[in-house]
Amino acid sequence: ETGVTQTPRHLVMGMTNKKSLKCEQHLGHNAMYWYKQSAKKPLELMFVYSLEERVENNSVPSRFSPECPNSSHLFLHLHTLQPEDSALYLCASRAGDRGSFEQYFGPGTRLTVT
Amino acid sequence: QKEVEQNSGPLSVPEGAIASLNCTYSDRGSQSFFWYRQYSGKSPELIMSIYSNGDKEDGRFTAQLNKASQYVSLLIRDSQPSDSATYLCAVNVGYSTLTFGKGTMLLVSP
Repeated sequence: ETGVTQTPRHLVMGMTNKKSLKCEQHLGHNAMYWYKQSAKKPLELMFVYSLEERVENNSVPSRFSPECPNSSHLFLHLHTLQPEDSALYLCASRAGDRGSFEQYFGPGTRLTVT
Repeated sequence: QKEVEQNSGPLSVPEGAIASLNCTYSDRGSQSFFWYRQYSGKSPELIMSIYSNGDKEDGRFTAQLNKASQYVSLLIRDSQPSDSATYLCAVNVGYSTLTFGKGTMLLVSP
């Protein structure tokens, strides 16, 4: 789905590094999401930004910090990560109209924490 | 805890057969149901959405919804090796969020 782009596609970082993941959607949507996908686990919702609400999964550690400066851009700031944070991080967007639930995913960032 | 359950598989079918993927969900208030296809190393791709009881057909894909029994299924007719992927079932929770199952791996052999 080229309507949602993510950079970088691959990231290797040490536990003391600070990095940011970027997501941009070109679909005119106004709701954006961060998900974490680990092996053999369901997609885990991390954060939601939409006109209706901002949702945070309370189980997400504070070393993950989202930022949504406008309806087209979403960032995930990372600091002092742990090896168990290695996963595929997916951004998704949704039209945002009530009654519209389809989410469209970007290609993901494969994160490895060493 | 609102849950979506899927058999992890793998479900193996020969080329040309019908593949049947099933999903059950716990929240009776859910109104919207989705199937995503995810190839290995790729991100999920939306392939079907269904909102009403009954069947919805799109090409070789048919989604079936039974709200009374709280299950949703996906049928893939004339399965092709290119259909080999993990299929994720997703169900809405409130206005903003989806809950995903762990996915069923489908293997279509030539």
